Amino acid sequence: AQSVTQPDIHITVSEGASLELRCNYSYGATPYLFWYVQSPGQGLQLLLKYFSGDTLVQGIKGFEAEFKRSQSSFNLRKPSVHWSDAAEYFCAVGASNFGNEKLTFGTGTRLTIIP
Amino acid sequence: ETGVTQTPRHLVMGMTNKKSLKCEQHLGHNAMYWYKQSAKKPLELMFVYSLEERVENNSVPSRFSPECPNSSHLFLHLHTLQPEDSALYLCASSQRQTPGSTDTQYFGPGTRLTVL
Repeated sequence: AQSVTQPDIHITVSEGASLELRCNYSYGATPYLFWYVQSPGQGLQLLLKYFSGDTLVQGIKGFEAEFKRSQSSFNLRKPSVHWSDAAEYFCAVGASNFGNEKLTFGTGTRLTIIP
Repeated sequence: ETGVTQTPRHLVMGMTNKKSLKCEQHLGHNAMYWYKQSAKKPLELMFVYSLEERVENNSVPSRFSPECPNSSHLFLHLHTLQPEDSALYLCASSQRQTPGSTDTQYFGPGTRLTVL
């Protein structure tokens, strides 16, 4: 069964600083990988996804993520954060084998931005 | 309306009440999902409907009863809930491309449920 680990429960960064949120997954075959963001009181918004091809994926709002098979990681990055990026971020892995179309989510990383 | 909408946004109910959550997707998708989001826990998949047939029931208690009358609407009927069922209930939809592949899911804003 697939699993996702987001090691950082809470991260605080200064506005304008760079950001990296970590995500490690466990899955036996080629995974489908996603990053979602959730603002307070809202649902989840898709930031980016990786299915195949180029391992560096560009998303919305200036985010990018890099798939590293050797490290089983899919870390999310942004070169310069804005106060509006404060939210909770979820990494998810989906299966590519027949009969298993579930998404498995990590527990999330809460991002706080300080002026 | 665009995307995935959910009503009500907030619901408070007693343990003996019966209520329903509604989800509507305006994306032309053919699959819909219910998730439960509790504090400090990962999102839990509850039900999946594909082409209006339930294809996943993730060991959810029978006090939760889903209904999918058509590809655009999904309901979650609630009865005799427990306080531990208090959570954010999220609906999502996707377009199933091929059997066995993971599709991109688009989420609604959720219903915040409180059971007293």
